[in-house]
Amino acid sequence: DIQMTQSPSSLSASVGDRVTITCRASQSISTYLNWYQQKPGKAPQLLIYAASSLHSGVPSRFSGSGSGTDFTLTISCLQPEDFATYYCQQSYTDTGFGQGTRLEIK
Amino acid sequence: QVQLQESGPRLVKPSQTLSLTCTVSGGSIASGSYYWSWIRQPAGKGLEWIGRIYTSGTTDYNPSLKSRVTISVDTSKNQFSLKLSSVTAADTAVYYCSRFSGAVTVPFYFDYWGQGTLVTVSS
Repeated sequence: DIQMTQSPSSLSASVGDRVTITCRASQSISTYLNWYQQKPGKAPQLLIYAASSLHSGVPSRFSGSGSGTDFTLTISCLQPEDFATYYCQQSYTDTGFGQGTRLEIK
Repeated sequence: QVQLQESGPRLVKPSQTLSLTCTVSGGSIASGSYYWSWIRQPAGKGLEWIGRIYTSGTTDYNPSLKSRVTISVDTSKNQFSLKLSSVTAADTAVYYCSRFSGAVTVPFYFDYWGQGTLVTVSS
């Protein structure tokens, strides 16, 4: 099984901040890495696929990078609606998710 | 616009079988290169992939649940289903159905999700 580890587990930031969330795979997964945003009581929503491709309708302040084992999700200028939990997901072998990063308002 | 909707009993007794159905609208479940998947999330915890079925009927399951999971598809009803046997309180979670999309050159991702349904395992 491929293990996905996100850091940090939680993060406090302010509106307008730039934040970065990291996801590490236990083995190389090329760019088979996706990012999701989940708000309380709602299903996750796709943000980034193939490590760096922005999903349709997602604001350009979201960006992704990385390949192999190390990946990042960056939000360039936090907006109030961005405070949520973020998950990475690998689809290299079957699939699996990171444990999540909760982004809270400072 | 593709939409997915979970349905089934919200309360299941320990040792019994959890059964859920996902109804797909806005597109045929039999068309395209999609896997139809189940994912669950215990309260306050992360996402756990349960398994998936291709339109051909081929299935893949999470190894940690494989012995208890069966996913099937009914293309005539545009539905796919989940059965999880021998449930315990640890299986209490919000269960989501989702479409897993991709291609040969594009990694698969979950692009459409149901709203989720809370299933509680309790006597």
